[in-house]
Amino acid sequence: QKEVEQDPGPLSVPEGAIVSLNCTYSNSAFQYFMWYRQYSRKGPELLMYTYSSGNKEDGRFTAQVDKSSKYISLFIRDSQPSDSATYLCAMTPYGNNRLAFGKGNQVVVIP
Amino acid sequence: NAGVTQTPKFQVLKTGQSMTLQCAQDMNHEYMSWYRQDPGMGLRLIHYSVGAGITDQGEVPNGYNVSRSTTEDFPLRLLSAAPSQTSVYFCASSYREDRGDEQFFGPGTRLTVL
Repeated sequence: QKEVEQDPGPLSVPEGAIVSLNCTYSNSAFQYFMWYRQYSRKGPELLMYTYSSGNKEDGRFTAQVDKSSKYISLFIRDSQPSDSATYLCAMTPYGNNRLAFGKGNQVVVIP
Repeated sequence: NAGVTQTPKFQVLKTGQSMTLQCAQDMNHEYMSWYRQDPGMGLRLIHYSVGAGITDQGEVPNGYNVSRSTTEDFPLRLLSAAPSQTSVYFCASSYREDRGDEQFFGPGTRLTVL
């Protein structure tokens, strides 16, 4: 079983919709949880960062971590065409920075 | 600051050839790493370094060598390229390696091995 599972299916939504993405993981040592955004033919860039359980909000983006269920989510409100990208979840335990990534979700926001 | 830079952007090799992918950062980061990204596989860690002179293996190290003689540079060497090494390679760096610090990624090198 891969440490981080992310259903890689593409997602197409109309502009203004809420986008919901999620990942599950198996390693209970993971403490830091991130979402990276990757535009086509570019390197990933950090979008959201959460330590341990809880919610974090940044503008239209909300990240949630439920360590008891080993489940993390990313919500994008009022989605815009500029949000069209691949979203990768990533996580790492305390004590090192070796990221374990999910496979990524390609999101297309249709104007 | 240029951030993390990678050269070349594109490369085509024949099976058995060798080459070095270059990575440099100007942020004085201790931690540097190499990932490969394949369709349907996500990013996988190849090698990483926690400081000059210190390197270690990641999830998929076979067929790759690294060294870190300076804080700024972290080259990735393919000694004898194989078609299975066709991929997009990303270099990343972060200030520290022990707190889940934000990792900054370079623009990537697209490698094709024929």
